[in-house]
Amino acid sequence: DAGVIQSPRHEVTEMGQEVTLRCKPISGHNSLFWYRQTMMRGLELLIYFNNNVPIDDSGMPEDRFSAKMPNASFSTLKIQPSEPRDSAVYFCASSQLAGGGETQYFGPGTRLLVL
Amino acid sequence: KNEVEQSPQNLTAQEGEFITINCSYSVGISALHWLQQHPGGGIVSLFMLSSGKKKHGRLIATINIQEKHSSLHITASHPRDSAVYICAVGEGGADGLTFGKGTHLIIQP
Repeated sequence: DAGVIQSPRHEVTEMGQEVTLRCKPISGHNSLFWYRQTMMRGLELLIYFNNNVPIDDSGMPEDRFSAKMPNASFSTLKIQPSEPRDSAVYFCASSQLAGGGETQYFGPGTRLLVL
Repeated sequence: KNEVEQSPQNLTAQEGEFITINCSYSVGISALHWLQQHPGGGIVSLFMLSSGKKKHGRLIATINIQEKHSSLHITASHPRDSAVYICAVGEGGADGLTFGKGTHLIIQP
């Protein structure tokens, strides 16, 4: 099993540009999570999907952030327009069941730097 | 919203020492997770538990649901155990995880 796959692994962009992060969950997992990690705030949940449906997006910072899961094997997190304060490591994780009751498997993360 | 507190924030110990990292939370949960983040940044799930105790090799995790407290123990610590250990809780249903700030552990040879 390849595990959770994220791309790109690193992204450097300029303020105002659109950024798209991609995630492929583990095959058979039906829950997908997007997290963000910064030095100041640690790890935070951004949004969570169950069976491709967004369940809780209350952690999405503002309207500049959007996430989609068009099918069971692919999700995107988009930032438009990007700002320097969006610089962080963005992790995608998947699990077999909804919520916090199952082991979550994390991708390697996308390290985003917005200049 | 659950508040997750970890202690200590930083811990430096000598190889072979017994290590304890503590985690407390404020609201009832469905499960508590212990995660390990290596210097390279990858996050690995060590344990998920909702009651009692689990053991894997030199790692032991315990949870006291009534006290809303969990501990992660490392026996015979080794420099390769150096990492950030993160406690996270899931409240079940539609929630993702809420994380503690992590404990930065360094084991010196």
